[in-house]
Amino acid sequence: SQQGEEDPQALSIQEGENATMNCSYKTSINNLQWYRQNSGRGLVHLILIRSNEREKHSGRLRVTLDTSKKSSSLLITASRAADTASYFCATDDGVGQLTFGSGTQLTVLP
Amino acid sequence: DAEITQSPRHKITETGRQVTLACHQTWNHNNMFWYRQDLGHGLRLIHYSYGVHDTNKGEVSDGYSVSRSNTEDLPLTLESAASSQTSVYFCASSELTSWNEQFFGPGTRLTVL
Repeated sequence: SQQGEEDPQALSIQEGENATMNCSYKTSINNLQWYRQNSGRGLVHLILIRSNEREKHSGRLRVTLDTSKKSSSLLITASRAADTASYFCATDDGVGQLTFGSGTQLTVLP
Repeated sequence: DAEITQSPRHKITETGRQVTLACHQTWNHNNMFWYRQDLGHGLRLIHYSYGVHDTNKGEVSDGYSVSRSNTEDLPLTLESAASSQTSVYFCASSELTSWNEQFFGPGTRLTVL
């Protein structure tokens, strides 16, 4: 069964707008990670947030984690056409394995 | 530069045949993983290894096997390919601790006819 579930499944925005994706999970986690997948490619790690952290930034990315609600969000600010990809959250239960959600397909229109 | 490679990138086979997908990493990572990706399911873990001679079953291991004879390679074998195993397969690796990101290969698209 999947631990993380992303919402929405698909998101289409204009270049320059912000994109927000949400992830919900079911059990306790060690950390939560976000990955990006361009069409036909492998996944690329974006950012990791630990269970004792509430917010983390990396460039145009902002991730929040609410362990009481078992949810996380990924915000991409000032989006670009090159941000078009699928985005996955993945939860680490502390034994080195990741459980992935089904992903959000982001389309950024020029 | 260190990398993780998969071969072949595309494979078409017939039901009942044995198929082996290769994964090779030059990161010198202890942990290696195999996933399959299907529409609507995200990535699901098939098998994983925490070091040489260590292998473990993941969520969807039935019909698959792996062996780890060295640090660099974790081949995935489909003992008797089934149409339900048509999928895109990804190999990944990570350092020893669980705080680290996984590095993914480019994937192998397998079609079982």
